[in-house]
Formats: sequence, structure tokens, C-alpha cells
Amino acid sequence: GAGVSQSPRYKVAKRGQDVALRCDPISGHVSLFWYQQALGQGPEFLTYFQNEAQLDKSGLPSDRFFAERPEGSVSTLKIQRTQQEDSAVYLCASTPGQNTEAFFGQGTRLTVV
Amino acid sequence: SQKIEQNSEALNIQEGKTATLTCNYTNYSPAYLQWYRQDPGRGPVFLLLIRENEKEKRKERLKVTFDTTLKQSLFHITASQPADSATYLCAPKPTGGYNKLIFGAGTRLAVHP
Repeated sequence: GAGVSQSPRYKVAKRGQDVALRCDPISGHVSLFWYQQALGQGPEFLTYFQNEAQLDKSGLPSDRFFAERPEGSVSTLKIQRTQQEDSAVYLCASTPGQNTEAFFGQGTRLTVV
Repeated sequence: SQKIEQNSEALNIQEGKTATLTCNYTNYSPAYLQWYRQDPGRGPVFLLLIRENEKEKRKERLKVTFDTTLKQSLFHITASQPADSATYLCAPKPTGGYNKLIFGAGTRLAVHP
């Protein structure tokens, strides 16, 4: 596609509910990142994939967060038993290779009520 | 721990003036540094990348400097326009490893007619 696509754009979840956020990276991009952005803050790294391999998940805040990229293209970020502190914008980015600019999607705004 | 500091206060300037944004980092030596622009409700968009062996980089009305001694990057927008109003994020990239970007909190720029 023309850019990184994320869905849904907005998600409201009741506390305790599970959510799944989808990222469609730019076709052919090897690297994929997930970031979490709180209001007024910069994006905070969550996890990194190179093709289908999850090489870094050091930023995932708890074991309720899980990400996958089974075929090396589309990725899903899943949050189980959502809590209010999970409310944020979740951004996905892809890059064609190492040490290049990152292309971001528009993000998914998650609100946990 | 690694820390990135950007002007926390919003920067208000008059149209036509030069905007200067500051990014300071501590406790690591980046191989390069990227600057991104973020508009409300959108993902960050790449602007410029400057490497550790480059002192200055220009692109149209944008200029970035990189002082590895001071551990600082300055981002300049000359002849600023109201359309330049946005949040600007800096992301120094540590040496080694993959393209994992660590972002500052960003500086909000408002250019007034």
C-alpha cells in the first residue's frame, strides 16, 4: 500500500476487555515497530520485528501485552484485560532496512473506561 | 539511563521568523539523529537525518546541526509559516543494533500570522 495503515483508528474498551490492534506496514518493509504515545509525550518503544521474528520486546509494559507478525507482514498488538493506564495512542512504524527513516501509521487511539 | 530533553514549553513565533528547537541527550552517543514532525491525530513524519560525522544538514527551509561534544542537536525552520505549526520530535539513535528510535517528548511550535 501507499503507507502504513492501522486499524481501528479509535477503540473504546471496558476495563478488563481484550483488544487487538492491527498494523499493515508498507509492502516489502522488513522492520516493524510498535510504540505507545501518551498525551503530550513522545512515542515510547514497545517492540520490534524483523520479518516474522520478534527481536526486541523490552518495551512491553506487562505480560498483558503481546505482539505478533506471523507472516512477516501484518502485525497485531494484543492487550489482555485492559486497564485504564493502557489508554494511549498506539503507533506502528515500518522501515525498509536498517538505519533508515521510519514510516508511521496514523495510530490507534485506545480509551479504556 | 539514556535521556532526551526537548524544550518542554511551546514555542510561539511570528510568521517569517526563524524557529530554533533544541534537543539535548545524555548517557549515550548516537550514531545519528532524526527529526520528525507530528500533527495532532497523526503519526510522526520523517524530516531529516544527520549522522555523527556531519555538523549540519539542510533541506529547503530546514536546517539541523549536530554537536556530539555538547550532546545537542538544533533544528531550525527559516521563514516560518503558520503551516509549520506542529510538534517536532527528535530521536537520537544509539550506536549498534537495529533502528530502534528513542524519542524525546517533542516541542510544540506555533507560528502566528
